[in-house]
Amino acid sequence: NAGVTQTPKFQVLKTGQSMTLQCAQDMNHEYMSWYRQDPGMGLRLIHYSVGAGITDQGEVPNGYNVSRSTTEDFPLRLLSAAPSQTSVYFCASSYPGQNSPLHFGNGTRLTVT
Amino acid sequence: AQSVTQLDSQVPVFEEAPVELRCNYSSSVSVYLFWYVQYPNQGLQLLLKYLSGSTLVKGINGFEAEFNKSQTSFHLRKPSVHISDTAEYFCAVRPNAGKSTFGDGTTLTVKP
Repeated sequence: NAGVTQTPKFQVLKTGQSMTLQCAQDMNHEYMSWYRQDPGMGLRLIHYSVGAGITDQGEVPNGYNVSRSTTEDFPLRLLSAAPSQTSVYFCASSYPGQNSPLHFGNGTRLTVT
Repeated sequence: AQSVTQLDSQVPVFEEAPVELRCNYSSSVSVYLFWYVQYPNQGLQLLLKYLSGSTLVKGINGFEAEFNKSQTSFHLRKPSVHISDTAEYFCAVRPNAGKSTFGDGTTLTVKP
């Protein structure tokens, strides 16, 4: 069972470049989300989706786009990278409902120079 | 709005000593509470969760947490820690199906 798979593990971008962080899960979870983790700031929610075709903004959505065309995949797009987007990005999924714990991928470490 | 406060950013402790990591939450409605652990260069994984019922919740790796509604706390405890418990620990609430709110994390360092 692969769980939540994120690619790439590491990425370096120059300011203004675009890229897509990939996230796939094989647990048939309806809920998927993206977080960024910065030192001393915990995890902050970027975007989330409660099912295919449905997405919504989280706490820090600016500069990021998402789409959810299938249950399995939830890519995160950076349209024009900025140094402030240097962070570790985590994808997480779960069954629907408040009582469901999140399952996390191993993260993508992004550096924007 | 829901919020979570982890009262200690770093907790150093010697091997085989007991440890408590403190978490307070604010909520005016029923909450579901979680503790996650993050080992270096990995994602978070679930330690334990409180949904309802008994206020003492047991999790993996010998950890347990006590839900205290009157003090709005959900502190994590382990009676005897190992070197392998060195990690970052996050308390979280899930106020609705769409969002989870995390504390800033507590770094537990177990010294030999």
